[in-house]
Amino acid sequence: SQTIHQWPATLVQPVGSPLSLECTVEGTSNPNLYWYRQAAGRGLQLLFYSVGIGQISSEVPQNLSASRPQDRQFILSSKKLLLSDSGFYLCAWITGGNTIYFGEGSWLTVV
Amino acid sequence: DQQVKQNSPSLSVQEGRISILNCDYTNSMFDYFLWYKKYPAEGPTFLISISSIKDKNEDGRFTVFLNKSAKHLSLHIVPSQPGDSAVYFCAASMGNTGTASKLTFGTGTRLQVTL
Repeated sequence: SQTIHQWPATLVQPVGSPLSLECTVEGTSNPNLYWYRQAAGRGLQLLFYSVGIGQISSEVPQNLSASRPQDRQFILSSKKLLLSDSGFYLCAWITGGNTIYFGEGSWLTVV
Repeated sequence: DQQVKQNSPSLSVQEGRISILNCDYTNSMFDYFLWYKKYPAEGPTFLISISSIKDKNEDGRFTVFLNKSAKHLSLHIVPSQPGDSAVYFCAASMGNTGTASKLTFGTGTRLQVTL
């Protein structure tokens, strides 16, 4: 079956610490993968998308980076977190038919 | 620049009545539109979609209407139920060529269905 998972579900990190959120997809190959963020009072903002291994496109300049080391793995990272990085992060898989599957989401609080 | 707009941040509707959620877009290249529902602390879940070649799509209690000339779409929920209380996101995309289909989301409308 086709599924998408992301973790961790929640984390509290101090300012300046690194970040790694992982997303994996099962039941498909060569998926189009996305990282979204929902900050307080705002809609879902597209951060990165990837159409294949090693292919990353960034939508907004920021303190974050993304990597696609394997076909079904998408990682969101930061070397040094800022307070403004706090928010709800979603990994998503969008099929060719425009169906979108979301991961469970990750709540990040930077303190 | 917000290309997909949901101008009503919140909406309260009585159980059994109709809920109408509105969405406007500015990019005439958008040709596929979707609605998602999101409960607190969960990821959005897909509700219903519509292609620009149609003006209406219905699925059970949910109907989406598209007015291309006005660049406006709406989601109707009839009858509204307490379980429909959630944040609703409108999303739009352009083209489906098999490559990355980027979705542009609105800011969401919080629907509260009261007893």
